[in-house]
Amino acid sequence: SAVISQKPSRDICQRGTSLTIQCQVDSQVTMMFWYRQQPGQSLTLIATANQGSEATYESGFVIDKFPISRPNLTFSTLTVSNMSPEDSSIYLCSVLSDSIYEQYFGPGTRLTVT
Amino acid sequence: AQSVAQPEDQVNVAEGNPLTVKCTYSVSGNPYLFWYVQYPNRGLQFLLKYITGDNLVKGSYGFEAEFNKSQTSFHLKKPSALVSDSALYFCAVSLPEGSNDYKLSFGAGTTVTVRA
Repeated sequence: SAVISQKPSRDICQRGTSLTIQCQVDSQVTMMFWYRQQPGQSLTLIATANQGSEATYESGFVIDKFPISRPNLTFSTLTVSNMSPEDSSIYLCSVLSDSIYEQYFGPGTRLTVT
Repeated sequence: AQSVAQPEDQVNVAEGNPLTVKCTYSVSGNPYLFWYVQYPNRGLQFLLKYITGDNLVKGSYGFEAEFNKSQTSFHLKKPSALVSDSALYFCAVSLPEGSNDYKLSFGAGTTVTVRA
């Protein structure tokens, strides 16, 4: 399985500011995903990020609010823009192992917006 | 559209007893099915998957799951639960056939508590 790290692990931010979350994987992967897990809830997919193309956003998520970069096959960033308390969640990145169709998750970034 | 249902918010069992966590799915096509476990303040850990082949799949930590196409279910099981199995369990589905779309749709999660 892939080893995935995320930075920061947690942060407390003020409303109206932006936070960029980094996701680093120890091997090259084609597909990376960003999920949100609101307190006490399940995971919801924000977007799929493939290297060399623009991210594909799910219904309810827009690029202006959650811009994503995927500069190479081992790294991606998710920015949460103009934050409000409703953005307080755990944000997780994941990668797809192409050969065995398993998806592995990073440890998550716990964001609190005050 | 694909969806997953976990009908039980909580499952409580005594250590040493069998553990079952239920999952049903709704997709139009051949699903890829997964189970993940989340321990407090930690990310999701992959347990097992069903893609094709034998309906009974075995995974990590002694867990197994049975794919039942007629009942559209993929229940997670462990013959003898441990206190350390206490965690939040998620069932997930993807439908990549014909679309190359591997995104996961998750169930609401089931909290498992194993008492000593």
